[in-house]
Amino acid sequence: EVQLVESGGGLVQPGGSLTISCSASGFTFSNYAMHWVRQAPGWGLEYVSNINNNGYTTYYTDSVKGRFTISRDNSKNTLYLQMSSLRPEDTALFYCMKDVGSVAGWDFDYWGQGTLVTVSS
Amino acid sequence: DVVMTQSPLSLPVTLGQPASISCRSSQSLVYSDGHIYLNWFQQRPGQSPRRLIYKVSNRDSGVPDRFSGSGSGTDFTLKISRVEAEDVGVYYCMQGTHWPFTFGPGTKVDIK
Repeated sequence: EVQLVESGGGLVQPGGSLTISCSASGFTFSNYAMHWVRQAPGWGLEYVSNINNNGYTTYYTDSVKGRFTISRDNSKNTLYLQMSSLRPEDTALFYCMKDVGSVAGWDFDYWGQGTLVTVSS
Repeated sequence: DVVMTQSPLSLPVTLGQPASISCRSSQSLVYSDGHIYLNWFQQRPGQSPRRLIYKVSNRDSGVPDRFSGSGSGTDFTLKISRVEAEDVGVYYCMQGTHWPFTFGPGTKVDIK
């Protein structure tokens, strides 16, 4: 059974940094691209970032470019999102998702349960 | 970025009755390969989203056949033929044709 478990969320001050993780199981992690999507409390969904299976190709939406870094450790079956210069508008539930292929595209078939990041003083 | 709009944003429905949600994109979602990458997601209260429909009209595995998708170009529709209690939640369309992928604002479906 495919499982994606996010962790590492919490309260951080504006301008601060935080790294969240997504632990994957039930599939061969190194074969698949991965994605991050976020959902601000009471709001809709925003696509954030993706990474190909080998970690060499990444993508960021403009609002996080230069502040967030996506990475993966295939030996640990774990996806990461390093976030810096955090702003109150980054407050959201962050979901990781598994792609159906090795190159990130439109087709993601599993979602985690999310980890909440709150940016506030 | 491609802007996705949905209507209505709130949809009270009677059990057993049909429901329809419209989704429009600010530009054509036809990709260079001829496919349209328009997906529909359902988010039940307290749960993560799950995909119902991919590429406009293809139902995901395990999705009841009362859900159907249609559309072309910039106009798309999700229909529920007979609403059941388990269908309560928020429905999002998402385009995967243009980067960044973008979602509609969501349509909240609840029971009258």
